[in-house]
Amino acid sequence: DAKTTQPPSMDCAEGRAANLPCNHSTISGNEYVYWYRQIHSQGPQYIIHGLKNNETNEMASLIITEDRKSSTLILPHATLRDTAVYYCIVRVDGNDMRFGAGTRLTVKP
Amino acid sequence: GAVVSQHPSRVICKSGTSVKIECRSLDFQATTMFWYRQFPKQSLMLMATSNEGSKATYEQGVEKDKFLINHASLTLSTLTVTSAHPEDSSFYICSARGTSGGGEQFFGPGTRLTVL
Repeated sequence: DAKTTQPPSMDCAEGRAANLPCNHSTISGNEYVYWYRQIHSQGPQYIIHGLKNNETNEMASLIITEDRKSSTLILPHATLRDTAVYYCIVRVDGNDMRFGAGTRLTVKP
Repeated sequence: GAVVSQHPSRVICKSGTSVKIECRSLDFQATTMFWYRQFPKQSLMLMATSNEGSKATYEQGVEKDKFLINHASLTLSTLTVTSAHPEDSSFYICSARGTSGGGEQFFGPGTRLTVL
């Protein structure tokens, strides 16, 4: 599965949109982009995933560039409870999920 | 839907004893289950993958005789840490993937193991 690069940390003001970038320049055509988050001392929580098209659900939006070499996870109105480590993972369906270092998002009041 | 539970959530044991951690998929059947370990301030590291009814596949560097994995049914996998030592103290997280063919993995809440 392709390697991903994420900034180690980001801050966001409460109520504002949080935009978390992820680079995956070596992604191949059959690899999906997955996002999970881990709140302190809990198991990872699935957020969203996509292949080519932008995706939106009740938690977030996923914007994938046309060349698929990068993506952005958008939390439209961040709350203090969104403070967590966010992981961007690229993988072929059926492969196991392997985690990088992720981005530690801190939402501040 | 897609809930994975772990038991116990926290365990403290003496050095040299064995500890068993259970992972259950509550509302779906999991053909494949995964065990991860996470040390403080680090990311999750995959330890092993198991398919129901067959032997687990361990990642390089993970001792299969120390970390015994049993995936006896489509809803239950167990991880036994044998002869635990303080360096085995960690946060152990299981994950399960269903039979429906979708790519998502669902994660349990984790088990905090402390070996004294």
